[in-house]
Amino acid sequence: EVQLLESGGGLVRPGGSLRLSCATSGFTFTTTAMNWVRQAPGKGLQWVSGITNSGGKTYYADSVKGRFIISRDNSKNMLYLQMDSLRAEDTGVYYCARESWVPWGQGTLVTVSS
Amino acid sequence: DVVMTQSPLSLPVTLGQPASTSCRSSQSLIHSDGNTYLNWFQQRPGQSPRRLIYKVSKRDSGVPDRFSGSGSGTNFTLRISRVEAEDIGIYYCMQGTHWPPITFGQGTRLEI
Repeated sequence: EVQLLESGGGLVRPGGSLRLSCATSGFTFTTTAMNWVRQAPGKGLQWVSGITNSGGKTYYADSVKGRFIISRDNSKNMLYLQMDSLRAEDTGVYYCARESWVPWGQGTLVTVSS
Repeated sequence: DVVMTQSPLSLPVTLGQPASTSCRSSQSLIHSDGNTYLNWFQQRPGQSPRRLIYKVSKRDSGVPDRFSGSGSGTNFTLRISRVEAEDIGIYYCMQGTHWPPITFGQGTRLEI
């Protein structure tokens, strides 16, 4: 069974940093591109970042470019999102997702507030 | 960036009756490989999104056959033949043809 388990969310002040993790199992992680998608409270879905299976290429939404870094550890089947210079508008539930978009994890809540 | 526009944003439905929602893209979603990477997701209240349809009309495993997708180019539709109570939630279209960025529609809220 494919499982994605996000963690690392929490309350952080504007300008602060957080590192999200996504523990994966049940599929061949090393051959799978991955994504992060977020959802602000009461709002729709927004793609944040993607990474190729090798980690050799990364992609970002304009709204997070230069502040967020996506990475992966293929030896541990883990996906990460380092979030720096956080803003109030980064608040939301962050989901990791496979390139197939099946399934989604339960998400981890990031709240940026003073 | 490809803009995905869904309508309506709110869709009152009657149980047992059909329902449909539309998704329009700002440019054709036909990829150079011949595929059209248009997905539909369902998000029930308090739950994570779940993919229902991929490549316009292919139903995911376990998705009831009352759900169907259609369309081509820039216009796409998700139909529910007979709405059931468990179908209540928000439906999003998503394009994966022209990325980055991957883009989602605003969502259609299905409500009784």
